[in-house]
Amino acid sequence: AQSVTQPDIHITVSEGASLELRCNYSYGATPYLFWYVQSPGQGLQLLLKYFSGDTLVQGIKGFEAEFKRSQSSFNLRKPSVHWSDAAEYFCASSGSARQLTFGSGTQLTVLP
Amino acid sequence: DTAVSQTPKYLVTQMGNDKSIKCEQNLGHDTMYWYKQDSKKFLKIMFSYNNKELIINETVPNRFSPKSPDKAHLNLHINSLELGDSAVYFCASSPRAHKSYNEQFFGPGTRLTVL
Repeated sequence: AQSVTQPDIHITVSEGASLELRCNYSYGATPYLFWYVQSPGQGLQLLLKYFSGDTLVQGIKGFEAEFKRSQSSFNLRKPSVHWSDAAEYFCASSGSARQLTFGSGTQLTVLP
Repeated sequence: DTAVSQTPKYLVTQMGNDKSIKCEQNLGHDTMYWYKQDSKKFLKIMFSYNNKELIINETVPNRFSPKSPDKAHLNLHINSLELGDSAVYFCASSPRAHKSYNEQFFGPGTRLTVL
């Protein structure tokens, strides 16, 4: 069965600092990978997705993610964090089961 | 606006009651889903419908019954509510018949509190 692990429950960064949120997946083949963001009291919004091809994927709001097969990882990055980026971030994968399996989420706090 | 909408946004009710949550999408998508997000923010799929046909039915108590009157609507009815049903319920939709690469579009969620 596929699974997604987000090792960091909570990350705090200062505004303007760089950010990396970790995601590891477990799946026999190459999964389809997604990062979603959930702002307080809101639904989930897709930041970016990886299906195939270029392993560095650009998303909305200045986010990018890199797929590394050798490490079974799909980490999310942003070079300079803004206060409005404070939210819960979810990594998800979709394989042969054709349904999204979510990680447990990482809560991002941004300090002024 | 094109979107996935859910009603109500908040639902507070007593144990033992029956309640429904409605979901509508005007994106023209074929597939709709219900997810439950628990107090630790963990998201788990409950059901998936494709063109009004049940595709996924995870291990969910049979007190939960989804109903899809047409492909734009997927409602969730819950009988005999229990304290453990308290959670945020998200509806989502995706464009095509259950393809793994499809992005899912989420509604704003319904926070259910059972007293």
